[in-house]
Amino acid sequence: EVQLVESGGGLVQPGGSLRLSCAASGFTLSTYWMSWVRQAPGKGLEWVANIKEDGSEKYYVDSVKGRFTISRDNAKNSLYLQMNSLRAEDTAVYYCARGSHYHLWWGQGTLVTVSS
Amino acid sequence: EVVLTQSPATLSLSPGERATLSCGASQSVSSSYLAWYQEKPGLAPRLLIYDASSRATGIPDRFSGSGSGTDFTLTITRLEPEDFAVYYCQQYGSSPRTFGQGTKLEIK
Repeated sequence: EVQLVESGGGLVQPGGSLRLSCAASGFTLSTYWMSWVRQAPGKGLEWVANIKEDGSEKYYVDSVKGRFTISRDNAKNSLYLQMNSLRAEDTAVYYCARGSHYHLWWGQGTLVTVSS
Repeated sequence: EVVLTQSPATLSLSPGERATLSCGASQSVSSSYLAWYQEKPGLAPRLLIYDASSRATGIPDRFSGSGSGTDFTLTITRLEPEDFAVYYCQQYGSSPRTFGQGTKLEIK
């Protein structure tokens, strides 16, 4: 069974950093693009970033370019999102999702709150 | 980027009725690369439709998608109580991937 489990969320001050992790199981991570999607409280879904199977290509939404870095370790079956210079508007539930097109499989999400 | 506009924002219907949800794109969606998701409180989104009209595995046939270019529709025939939720469209024909703002389907 495919499972995606996010971790690493929490409360952080504006300007701070956080690293999210997504543990994948039930499939071979190295054969799929992976994505991060977020949802601010009471708001809609927003695609954040995606990464090619081997990590050679990465794409970001404009609002996080230069601040967030997506990466992966296929040997550890893990996806990551390093978030620096966090802002209040980055407060959201962050989901990892399999694929770069549509997403059949999603994690349960991890909440990131940016507040002083 | 491709902006997706969903209408209506809220749709109030009764169980057994037919729901028609619209998703308009600011420019043509390449290869009809459009998906629909259902979201319920506290749960991750559930893929319903991909490639504009293909049902995802396990999705009941009362859900159907149609459209191409800039106009897409999700139709739910004979609403069941569990269908009342928020629905999002998403395009993956170009980067950045974008979602619509959602349509809330509520019980009348």
